[in-house]
Amino acid sequence: GAVVSQHPSRVICKSGTSVKIECRSLDFQATTMFWYRQFPKQSLMLMATSNEGSKATYEQGVEKDKFLINHASLTLSTLTVTSAHPEDSSFYICSVAGQGVSDTQYFGPGTRLTVL
Amino acid sequence: AQSVTQLDSQVPVFEEAPVELRCNYSSSVSVYLFWYVQYPNQGLQLLLKYLSGSTLVESINGFEAEFNKSQTSFHLRKPSVHISDTAEYFCAVSLPNAGGTSYGKLTFGQGTILTVHP
Repeated sequence: GAVVSQHPSRVICKSGTSVKIECRSLDFQATTMFWYRQFPKQSLMLMATSNEGSKATYEQGVEKDKFLINHASLTLSTLTVTSAHPEDSSFYICSVAGQGVSDTQYFGPGTRLTVL
Repeated sequence: AQSVTQLDSQVPVFEEAPVELRCNYSSSVSVYLFWYVQYPNQGLQLLLKYLSGSTLVESINGFEAEFNKSQTSFHLRKPSVHISDTAEYFCAVSLPNAGGTSYGKLTFGQGTILTVHP
């Protein structure tokens, strides 16, 4: 399967600052990537679908101006949390979409964001 | 819209005991079904999946799951668990696209924490 990395693995920032999280597909050209967030002791919630070369598609209730997604190449998608607040503290996870009948998503290890 | 319910938030078992983690889904159309495992401080890993064909699917580490369309269930089972199986398990569904293949959005259940005690 595809190998997916995320950087950084952990980040602590002050309230009001912006944080960029990178998601890289190391061995697979991904036209589609997904961004999820996971609150403590809860499930993953899809935030947006990132499409290479076009605008991301956001799920209902997710502020697109706050969570900026850029998918500039087939191996890199970035999520920028703008003007972060403590309630944005969460575990952010990206995944790369497989294609074809074997259809699988491959997940990155996640980024733990803590906003002070 | 589809939804996934994992009936047990926590399942404690002793080593070498059998275990079943329950998953029910709701959808008006056919879905693909997945089980993912998340070990402490790690990302999600695919455990097994059902796309079509045989309703019983197996993983390489002894887990199996059976798709039951009439009961809309996809329960995960293992006849004898190990300490190393301690993790959180997520059931998920996605919708096939018109072409019969899908890299669509996953809808996850709430997760079940399996704790295996010696």
